[in-house]
Amino acid sequence: ETGVTQTPRHLVMGMTNKKSLKCEQHLGHNAMYWYKQSAKKPLELMFVYSLEERVENNSVPSRFSPECPNSSHLFLHLHTLQPEDSALYLCASSLGAGGKNIQYFGAGTRLSVL
Amino acid sequence: GDSVTQMEGPVTLSEEAFLTINCTYTATGYPSLFWYVQYPGEGLQLLLKATKADDKGSNKGFEATYRKETTSFHLEKGSVQVSDSAVYFCAPPKGTLDNAGNMLTFGGGTRLMVKP
Repeated sequence: ETGVTQTPRHLVMGMTNKKSLKCEQHLGHNAMYWYKQSAKKPLELMFVYSLEERVENNSVPSRFSPECPNSSHLFLHLHTLQPEDSALYLCASSLGAGGKNIQYFGAGTRLSVL
Repeated sequence: GDSVTQMEGPVTLSEEAFLTINCTYTATGYPSLFWYVQYPGEGLQLLLKATKADDKGSNKGFEATYRKETTSFHLEKGSVQVSDSAVYFCAPPKGTLDNAGNMLTFGGGTRLMVKP
């Protein structure tokens, strides 16, 4: 148990669906991250939130929409996804967003887009 | 700009073999360096870290020394076990960019498979 919980663990959705991924941390951290991990590409950073403000948006398509309502929760809203978006989506948190901080990861949501 | 190069896998070893996974970086200044490990079906977790030059991080029999002169942070273990089978990520300094100018936070990962 890392203190970072992601739900659901598995998700299958059609290209016209709208769904959301949820991440929750109980570590008192103030930075949270979304990563995409697929078989063909190394771990890709998608978004970074620090103190509930988005500080990084790594050229992610607009069909992915993050939301950070407070420092403990992070969402990734999905709509009109493509099959190539099928991947493992990992959430992480850290005490701060600087490079010296250790990141703590959830177990991920395995997403399949049909 | 800053960059990191991690040894490509997969690496297949027999149990009790010696392991080295190479990681080199270029950076302005001397950042903290990390190795993370991802076991099957799980997210990443910190394996070890070093915060300054000549520091040695160690954990679970793994070691890595932050070598300023060679800008390297190679991961080593003297005798691997089947349970070490996982993907290992060298985490470069924050702000590292890939060739396309996108922010790269972790190296590409090296898959290790240990056979009994």
